Amino acid sequence: AQSVTQLDSQVPVFEEAPVELRCNYSSSVSVYLFWYVQYPNQGLQLLLKYLSGSTLVKGINGFEAEFNKSQTSFHLRKPSVHISDTAEYFCAVSLTMNSGYSTLTFGKGTMLLVSP
Amino acid sequence: DADVTQTPRNRITKTGKRIMLECSQTKGHDRMYWYRQDPGLGLRLIYYSFDVKDINKGEISDGYSVSRQAQAKFSLSLESAIPNQTALYFCATRNRSKNIQYFGAGTRLSVL
Repeated sequence: AQSVTQLDSQVPVFEEAPVELRCNYSSSVSVYLFWYVQYPNQGLQLLLKYLSGSTLVKGINGFEAEFNKSQTSFHLRKPSVHISDTAEYFCAVSLTMNSGYSTLTFGKGTMLLVSP
Repeated sequence: DADVTQTPRNRITKTGKRIMLECSQTKGHDRMYWYRQDPGLGLRLIYYSFDVKDINKGEISDGYSVSRQAQAKFSLSLESAIPNQTALYFCATRNRSKNIQYFGAGTRLSVL
């Protein structure tokens, strides 16, 4: 079975500073990888995904992530954060095999706290 | 209007009561999912359905049941609510050929 580890439960950062949210996964077979964002009192929305192709994936709101197969990582980065980026971020994984029948496994989330 | 609608948005109930959370979608997706979110635990899958006649247990199905009344509707029931079922519940949908799940706004449930 697959699993996801988000190494930081909270990441405090000042506005306009760069940020990296870390995600590692474990799976014996190939996977698809996702980052979802949850703004306060809202549901989750997709930030970006890696399905195949280029290992550097760009998402919405200036975020990007890099798939590193050898390190089984999919870290999320933004070069300059805004106050509005304050939210909880979830890394998730699903299996590529029989992908139409696969489910998502989520990490425990990382709360990004951006202060002025 | 939201593509994935959950009702109610907030609910307070008492231990032992039966409660139903509803989810409807206008995206035309065949796959639907129920998750619960607890602080520090992320989202955990309760039940999922690949189509109207295909329902499967997820990681934490004990104490819950579901009904897929139509392709667009997927309800989650707590037969006899207990306090540790206090959580934020999310419904999600996806198309079988696309690997993206779309989430509702959530139902915040408190069991006293």
